[in-house]
Amino acid sequence: GDSVTQMEGPVTLSEEAFLTINCTYTATGYPSLFWYVQYPGEGLQLLLKATKADDKGSNKGFEATYRKETTSFHLEKGSVQVSDSAVYFCALSDSNYQLIWGAGTKLIIKP
Amino acid sequence: NAGVTQTPKFQVLKTGQSMTLQCAQDMNHNSMYWYRQDPGMGLRLIYYSASEGTTDKGEVPNGYNVSRLNKREFSLRLESAAPSQTSVYFCASSAEPPTGITGELFFGEGSRLTVL
Repeated sequence: GDSVTQMEGPVTLSEEAFLTINCTYTATGYPSLFWYVQYPGEGLQLLLKATKADDKGSNKGFEATYRKETTSFHLEKGSVQVSDSAVYFCALSDSNYQLIWGAGTKLIIKP
Repeated sequence: NAGVTQTPKFQVLKTGQSMTLQCAQDMNHNSMYWYRQDPGMGLRLIYYSASEGTTDKGEVPNGYNVSRLNKREFSLRLESAAPSQTSVYFCASSAEPPTGITGELFFGEGSRLTVL
């Protein structure tokens, strides 16, 4: 079946560092891809999405490009802040339009 | 801006006890969902409801029951709790039908349940 694999965390960076969180997927067909973020003490919220190959989703300085050839949707940010500390979830919408989730990656940004 | 509200936020049960997790949304969404989150695993869908009066099983429904009381409320019940049900539970809602998700789910803050 369809699946999503994320890099294990926690990922610890210093403020202003470059961020990459890897996400790869296995799916039949052409799924939509998403990144959700969960800040401490809050529910998950949609960060960005891409619905077809080569699309780039972006929001709050974060970007991710839908790479069909490598089945990847890596999350990147050029300069992270302490306020970016959170858990990040990669997900895909399968052929039944249900969401399949990665395990989540905890990001810790140190001042 | 309440969004999706879950109660309780924390609960400790003994094996065999029952309890109900409550969820309410104020966004007039038709679709509601219950997920569980376990360490090292992604969110797994327990049950969902496409509209008031309808419910369907998700990936891991065994040991749970749900009720879509009205458009706003969707409760999750554990009739006889087991240690394997120790988890963090999330309620979510969406304006889209479950079979047409473009990704915009709105989540509650989660309920941490421990079964001893």
